Amino acid sequence: QVQLQESGPGLVKPSETLSLTCTVSGGSISSYYWSWIRQPPGKGLEWIGYIYYSGSTNYNPSLKSRVTISVDTSKNQFSLKLSSVTAADTAVYYCAREEAVADTNWFDPWGQGTLVTVSS
Amino acid sequence: SYELTQPPSVSVSPGQTASITCSGDKLGDKYVCWYQQKPGQSPVLVIYQHSKRPSGIPERFSGSNSGNTATLTISGTQAMDESDYYCQAWDSSTAVFGGGTKLTVL
Repeated sequence: QVQLQESGPGLVKPSETLSLTCTVSGGSISSYYWSWIRQPPGKGLEWIGYIYYSGSTNYNPSLKSRVTISVDTSKNQFSLKLSSVTAADTAVYYCAREEAVADTNWFDPWGQGTLVTVSS
Repeated sequence: SYELTQPPSVSVSPGQTASITCSGDKLGDKYVCWYQQKPGQSPVLVIYQHSKRPSGIPERFSGSNSGNTATLTISGTQAMDESDYYCQAWDSSTAVFGGGTKLTVL
Protein backbone atom coordinates (compact mmCIF):
# COMPACT_ATOMS: atom_id res chain seq x y z
CA GLN A 1 0.00 0.00 0.00
CA VAL A 2 1.48 3.28 -1.14
CA GLN A 3 2.16 5.87 1.55
CA LEU A 4 3.27 9.47 1.15
CA GLN A 5 5.11 11.62 3.69
CA GLU A 6 5.78 15.34 3.41
CA SER A 7 8.86 16.89 4.96
CA GLY A 8 10.42 20.32 5.15
CA PRO A 9 10.63 23.49 7.25
CA GLY A 10 7.51 24.47 9.13
CA LEU A 11 8.42 28.15 9.17
CA VAL A 12 9.47 30.28 6.21
CA LYS A 13 10.19 34.00 6.15
CA PRO A 14 8.29 36.33 3.82
CA SER A 15 9.86 36.74 0.37
CA GLU A 16 11.84 33.51 0.77
CA THR A 17 11.31 30.15 -0.96
CA LEU A 18 9.22 27.37 0.55
CA SER A 19 10.71 23.92 -0.09
CA LEU A 20 9.01 20.62 0.64
CA THR A 21 9.72 17.00 -0.26
CA CYS A 22 7.30 14.10 -0.53
CA THR A 23 8.70 10.61 -0.01
CA VAL A 24 6.78 7.73 -1.55
CA SER A 25 6.97 4.34 0.15
CA GLY A 26 5.33 1.00 -0.52
CA GLY A 27 5.41 1.48 -4.27
CA SER A 28 7.33 3.02 -7.15
CA ILE A 29 7.04 6.63 -8.18
CA SER A 30 7.16 5.48 -11.80
CA SER A 31 4.12 5.43 -14.08
CA TYR A 32 2.10 7.91 -12.01
CA TYR A 33 1.38 11.61 -11.70
CA TRP A 34 2.19 13.24 -8.36
CA SER A 35 0.56 16.40 -7.04
CA TRP A 36 0.88 19.09 -4.42
CA ILE A 37 -2.30 20.50 -2.87
CA ARG A 38 -2.59 23.05 -0.08
CA GLN A 39 -5.20 24.11 2.47
CA PRO A 40 -4.99 27.41 4.36
CA PRO A 41 -6.11 27.09 7.98
CA GLY A 42 -9.89 26.80 8.14
CA LYS A 43 -10.27 27.05 4.38
CA GLY A 44 -10.67 24.84 1.33
CA LEU A 45 -8.31 22.91 -0.91
CA GLU A 46 -6.19 24.43 -3.69
CA TRP A 47 -4.32 22.37 -6.27
CA ILE A 48 -0.78 23.62 -6.83
CA GLY A 49 0.43 21.36 -9.64
CA TYR A 50 1.59 17.92 -10.69
CA ILE A 51 4.62 16.18 -12.08
CA TYR A 52 4.75 12.97 -14.09
CA TYR A 53 7.49 10.53 -13.14
CA SER A 54 9.20 11.36 -16.45
CA GLY A 55 9.51 14.99 -15.35
CA SER A 56 6.72 16.73 -17.27
CA THR A 57 4.80 19.24 -15.17
CA ASN A 58 1.54 21.17 -15.06
CA TYR A 59 0.89 24.03 -12.65
CA ASN A 60 -2.12 25.96 -11.43
CA PRO A 61 -2.13 29.18 -13.49
CA SER A 62 -2.68 31.20 -10.31
CA LEU A 63 0.66 30.01 -8.90
CA LYS A 64 2.58 29.11 -12.04
CA SER A 65 5.04 32.02 -11.89
CA ARG A 66 6.24 30.98 -8.42
CA VAL A 67 6.06 27.16 -8.49
CA THR A 68 8.58 24.49 -9.42
CA ILE A 69 7.89 20.79 -8.93
CA SER A 70 10.66 18.27 -9.51
CA VAL A 71 11.09 14.50 -9.19
CA ASP A 72 13.94 12.23 -8.09
CA THR A 73 13.03 8.71 -9.15
CA SER A 74 16.19 7.26 -7.59
CA LYS A 75 14.98 8.39 -4.18
CA ASN A 76 11.26 7.85 -4.87
CA GLN A 77 10.69 11.50 -4.01
CA PHE A 78 9.19 14.59 -5.56
CA SER A 79 9.56 18.16 -4.37
CA LEU A 80 7.86 21.54 -4.31
CA LYS A 81 9.44 24.96 -4.40
CA LEU A 82 7.28 28.06 -4.00
CA SER A 83 9.12 31.35 -4.29
CA SER A 84 8.44 34.83 -2.93
CA VAL A 85 6.09 33.58 -0.24
CA THR A 86 3.75 35.80 1.75
CA ALA A 87 1.44 35.20 4.68
CA ALA A 88 -1.20 34.10 2.17
CA ASP A 89 0.92 31.01 1.47
CA THR A 90 0.50 29.80 5.06
CA ALA A 91 -1.23 26.45 4.72
CA VAL A 92 -1.13 22.73 5.26
CA TYR A 93 0.63 21.33 2.22
CA TYR A 94 -0.33 17.85 1.04
CA CYS A 95 1.28 15.61 -1.51
CA ALA A 96 -0.90 13.09 -3.32
CA ARG A 97 -0.74 10.47 -6.03
CA GLU A 98 -2.86 11.01 -9.10
CA GLU A 99 -4.62 8.05 -10.60
CA ALA A 100 -5.19 8.60 -14.30
CA VAL A 101 -7.72 6.65 -16.32
CA ALA A 102 -9.04 7.64 -19.73
CA ASP A 103 -9.34 11.43 -19.68
CA THR A 104 -9.60 12.04 -15.96
CA ASN A 105 -7.43 11.94 -12.84
CA TRP A 106 -8.17 11.76 -9.14
CA PHE A 107 -6.08 12.11 -5.98
CA ASP A 108 -5.51 8.95 -3.97
CA PRO A 109 -3.81 8.50 -1.58
CA TRP A 110 -2.79 11.69 0.20
CA GLY A 111 0.05 12.34 2.60
CA GLN A 112 -0.68 13.40 6.16
CA GLY A 113 0.11 17.03 5.33
CA THR A 114 2.58 19.48 6.79
CA LEU A 115 1.82 22.95 8.10
CA VAL A 116 3.99 25.70 6.68
CA THR A 117 3.73 29.11 8.30
CA VAL A 118 5.06 32.20 6.58
CA SER A 119 6.19 34.68 9.20
CA SER A 120 9.19 36.78 10.10
CA SER B 1 -11.34 30.59 -14.07
CA TYR B 2 -13.67 27.68 -13.50
CA GLU B 3 -15.57 27.56 -10.22
CA LEU B 4 -17.35 24.82 -8.30
CA THR B 5 -19.97 25.89 -5.78
CA GLN B 6 -21.02 23.84 -2.75
CA PRO B 7 -23.38 24.73 0.11
CA PRO B 8 -21.33 25.60 3.22
CA SER B 9 -23.29 23.22 5.40
CA VAL B 10 -25.79 20.38 5.29
CA SER B 11 -27.51 18.75 8.24
CA VAL B 12 -29.03 15.27 8.39
CA SER B 13 -30.50 13.01 11.03
CA PRO B 14 -28.86 9.63 11.67
CA GLY B 15 -30.21 6.96 9.33
CA GLN B 16 -31.53 9.49 6.84
CA THR B 17 -30.18 10.39 3.40
CA ALA B 18 -27.77 13.29 2.98
CA SER B 19 -27.32 15.02 -0.37
CA ILE B 20 -24.43 17.40 -1.02
CA THR B 21 -24.45 19.32 -4.27
CA CYS B 22 -21.65 20.76 -6.38
CA SER B 23 -22.47 23.19 -9.17
CA GLY B 24 -20.42 24.39 -12.12
CA ASP B 25 -20.87 25.42 -15.71
CA LYS B 26 -21.55 22.29 -17.80
CA LEU B 27 -20.25 20.19 -14.92
CA GLY B 28 -22.08 17.18 -16.34
CA ASP B 29 -19.55 17.13 -19.18
CA LYS B 30 -16.70 16.63 -16.71
CA TYR B 31 -15.69 13.80 -14.39
CA VAL B 32 -16.28 14.66 -10.73
CA CYS B 33 -14.60 13.28 -7.61
CA TRP B 34 -15.58 13.66 -3.98
CA TYR B 35 -13.29 13.73 -0.95
CA GLN B 36 -14.11 13.35 2.74
CA GLN B 37 -12.01 15.21 5.28
CA LYS B 38 -12.37 14.75 9.02
CA PRO B 39 -10.92 17.34 11.42
CA GLY B 40 -7.15 17.21 11.57
CA GLN B 41 -6.93 14.53 8.90
CA SER B 42 -6.04 14.35 5.22
CA PRO B 43 -8.76 14.17 2.59
CA VAL B 44 -9.88 10.70 1.54
CA LEU B 45 -11.30 9.86 -1.88
CA VAL B 46 -14.88 8.56 -1.58
CA ILE B 47 -16.17 8.87 -5.16
CA TYR B 48 -14.36 9.11 -8.50
CA GLN B 49 -15.50 9.22 -12.12
CA HIS B 50 -18.93 10.51 -11.02
CA SER B 51 -20.08 7.41 -9.16
CA LYS B 52 -17.32 4.85 -8.56
CA ARG B 53 -16.29 3.97 -5.02
CA PRO B 54 -12.70 3.10 -4.08
CA SER B 55 -12.22 -0.13 -2.19
CA GLY B 56 -13.05 0.28 1.47
CA ILE B 57 -15.63 3.02 0.94
CA PRO B 58 -19.09 1.92 2.15
CA GLU B 59 -21.87 1.32 -0.35
CA ARG B 60 -23.95 4.05 1.29
CA PHE B 61 -21.81 6.59 -0.58
CA SER B 62 -22.93 7.25 -4.15
CA GLY B 63 -22.51 9.96 -6.74
CA SER B 64 -24.26 11.37 -9.77
CA ASN B 65 -23.60 14.14 -12.25
CA SER B 66 -25.85 15.77 -14.81
CA GLY B 67 -26.31 19.18 -16.32
CA ASN B 68 -24.61 21.72 -14.10
CA THR B 69 -24.80 19.77 -10.84
CA ALA B 70 -23.04 16.82 -9.28
CA THR B 71 -24.44 15.24 -6.14
CA LEU B 72 -22.89 13.15 -3.40
CA THR B 73 -25.51 11.04 -1.66
CA ILE B 74 -25.00 9.28 1.64
CA SER B 75 -27.76 6.79 2.39
CA GLY B 76 -28.40 5.72 5.97
CA THR B 77 -26.05 8.41 7.26
CA GLN B 78 -24.03 7.47 10.31
CA ALA B 79 -22.41 9.65 12.95
CA MET B 80 -19.00 8.70 11.54
CA ASP B 81 -19.94 10.40 8.26
CA GLU B 82 -19.85 13.83 9.92
CA SER B 83 -17.04 15.51 7.95
CA ASP B 84 -16.19 18.14 5.39
CA TYR B 85 -16.79 17.05 1.81
CA TYR B 86 -15.12 18.52 -1.27
CA CYS B 87 -16.02 18.02 -4.91
CA GLN B 88 -13.30 18.24 -7.55
CA ALA B 89 -13.16 18.37 -11.33
CA TRP B 90 -10.69 19.27 -14.05
CA ASP B 91 -10.98 22.28 -16.34
CA SER B 92 -8.38 23.23 -18.93
CA SER B 93 -5.85 20.86 -17.34
CA THR B 94 -6.31 22.50 -13.94
CA ALA B 95 -7.74 20.69 -10.93
CA VAL B 96 -10.52 22.69 -9.30
CA PHE B 97 -12.03 22.04 -5.87
CA GLY B 98 -15.34 23.19 -4.53
CA GLY B 99 -15.33 25.29 -1.37
CA GLY B 100 -16.38 22.34 0.77
CA THR B 101 -19.52 21.36 2.66
CA LYS B 102 -19.64 20.60 6.36
CA LEU B 103 -21.97 17.67 6.96
CA THR B 104 -23.49 17.62 10.42
CA VAL B 105 -25.24 14.49 11.66
CA LEU B 106 -27.66 15.38 14.44
